[in-house]
Amino acid sequence: GQQVMQIPQYQHVQEGEDFTTYCNSSTTLSNIQWYKQRPGGHPVFLIQLVKSGEVKKQKRLTFQFGEAKKNSSLHITATQTTDVGTYFCAGTSGTYKYIFGTGTRLKVLA
Amino acid sequence: DVKVTQSSRYLVKRTGEKVFLECVQDMDHENMFWYRQDPGLGLRLIYFSYDVKMKEKGDIPEGYSVSREKKERFSLILESASTNQTSMYLCASSLYWVAGGPETQYFGPGTRLLVL
Repeated sequence: GQQVMQIPQYQHVQEGEDFTTYCNSSTTLSNIQWYKQRPGGHPVFLIQLVKSGEVKKQKRLTFQFGEAKKNSSLHITATQTTDVGTYFCAGTSGTYKYIFGTGTRLKVLA
Repeated sequence: DVKVTQSSRYLVKRTGEKVFLECVQDMDHENMFWYRQDPGLGLRLIYFSYDVKMKEKGDIPEGYSVSREKKERFSLILESASTNQTSMYLCASSLYWVAGGPETQYFGPGTRLLVL
């Protein structure tokens, strides 16, 4: 069946360092979304990418959708303690076939 | 702001009990979803509904059923709870479908269910 894997599963960084999480699908995706879940909280929508090769930025966050639409990445520049949480990608493959990635838990050390 | 509420934050039930988890959204969204979240497995879709009285199975529907009698309310039912259904349950809603998938999903706070 369709799988969406994220790497790494965990990442500890020093505050100010950059961070990247990668999302890889076994099938082509029609779109991809990214969510952030703070510790003890619920997932909150960050962004959606639809076009092949699309790049979007939100302040220190850069999101990219691969040319083949099978992978995506989220890059955070100069992490801050407020970036702590688990980042999930979620992709659509076919009608009503929507799956979340396994998540990357980010810890930022002050 | 969209608000998605869930009936309980924490729930403890015994094996074999029938369990109802309720979810209500206040933004007239067409689509509602039930997920369970387990460490290392991310969020897995149990069921979703794209309209009143309509439901579709997600990836892991076994042992669960759902009910959507009103647009704003989506219930998850564990017919006979088992210990492997101990998990965090998250409800979500979205307004549209985009490119075959839900547009922005808004999540409720979650219900942490423990089945003894």
